[in-house]
Amino acid sequence: GAGVSQSPSNKVTEKGKDVELRCDPISGHTALYWYRQSLGQGLEFLIYFQGNSAPDKSGLPSDRFSAERTGGSVSTLTIQRTQQEDSAVYLCASGNRATDTQYFGPGTRLTVL
Amino acid sequence: EDKVVQSPLSLVVHEGDTVTLNCSYEVTNFRSLLWYKQEKKAPTFLFMLTSSGIEKKSGRLSSILDKKELFSILNITATQTGDSAVYLCAPIIQGAQKLVFGQGTRLTINP
Repeated sequence: GAGVSQSPSNKVTEKGKDVELRCDPISGHTALYWYRQSLGQGLEFLIYFQGNSAPDKSGLPSDRFSAERTGGSVSTLTIQRTQQEDSAVYLCASGNRATDTQYFGPGTRLTVL
Repeated sequence: EDKVVQSPLSLVVHEGDTVTLNCSYEVTNFRSLLWYKQEKKAPTFLFMLTSSGIEKKSGRLSSILDKKELFSILNITATQTGDSAVYLCAPIIQGAQKLVFGQGTRLTINP
């Protein structure tokens, strides 16, 4: 595709439920990143994939958060037992090792009631 | 701790004005710095700066990096209402690949 795509664009869930957020990177990009942006806050790094491995997962806020990437392409961010403080926009970006530029998807707005 | 400070946090100007947005950073193992424009959800890429003193230009936008003083500026000339957005700067950490974002500058252009 032409750009990074994410789904769903909006997700409303009840506290305690699990959610899965999906990211399709730009074709050929080996690097994939997840960030989140809480209301009024800057973007916060969550995890970085190079291929299917995650050399840096230092930004995951708790063990309720996990992510995987398969086939060097699609990535899924899973949040278990969601809490209200998980409400945020979750942004995915992709890039390649030839350049530092990261291209962002449209994000998923997660609301935990 | 890695730190990025953008100023001003908010700026309101009239169409046609010129604006300068500031970004100062303190990060370990600096590699390069990126500027993004965020209108709704997705930040869109503007510039990547790696070397000091070399201005990057795209239309009415330009940016420059000072690696000695650890800051970058983004200039927008002849502003238009479509320039209204949050502008984000983000250094990349060598090896870690992650972007460290500032709070952003919310720019509002009034007609």
